[in-house]
Amino acid sequence: AQKITQTQPGMFVQEKEAVTLDCTYDTSDQSYGLFWYKQPSSGEMIFLIYQGSYDEQNATEGRYSLNFQKARKSANLVISASQLGDSAMYFCAPSMDSNYQLIWGAGTKLIIKP
Amino acid sequence: GAVVSQHPSWVICKSGTSVKIECRSLDFQATTMFWYRQFPKQSLMLMATSNEGSKATYEQGVEKDKFLINHASLTLSTLTVTSAHPEDSSFYICSARAWREGPYEQYFGPGTRLTVT
Repeated sequence: AQKITQTQPGMFVQEKEAVTLDCTYDTSDQSYGLFWYKQPSSGEMIFLIYQGSYDEQNATEGRYSLNFQKARKSANLVISASQLGDSAMYFCAPSMDSNYQLIWGAGTKLIIKP
Repeated sequence: GAVVSQHPSWVICKSGTSVKIECRSLDFQATTMFWYRQFPKQSLMLMATSNEGSKATYEQGVEKDKFLINHASLTLSTLTVTSAHPEDSSFYICSARAWREGPYEQYFGPGTRLTVT
């Protein structure tokens, strides 16, 4: 079974600093997708960024970027210039089967300090 | 982007009663919907995958008779928690995948918080 590891249960970061949230996964599949979602205290899941396993360039979406290292099976999320509104739970969720089912990591609770 | 709604957003019910949660795709047709539950400070746990017009596929350990899923149309899936007990209290989230879209296109509802007293 695939396993997703987010090694940081929680992080405190000063506002305006960059932050990297770690995610490693275990798969023998060659074709898969990697998603990051944000879940604020309201509970809704907010899609942040997607990386395809065959994409040659790291994905970027505004202040979010993915540091994708396929050989290491690592897909770390980088948030630049953090803001107070970035405080939330962050989940790494690869998609590895034909039904596009997401496999969820345990999440990282990020708190941005003013 | 596509919108998925859930109703109700919050419900309290008494032990032994049943509760129905609706998940609707508002501006697209969803051939596949996923139902998750989430306990406080934990990750999402997939309960079942629901394809329109066919029976839901339940994950191991999820009781089919307890959590009834009906995907009657391309825009509506329902989850009914039957004979609810306090241990069923949780946050339930649905997501919907659009027709013929790739892995990029999965949209989440805002969730339903169920409390069983």
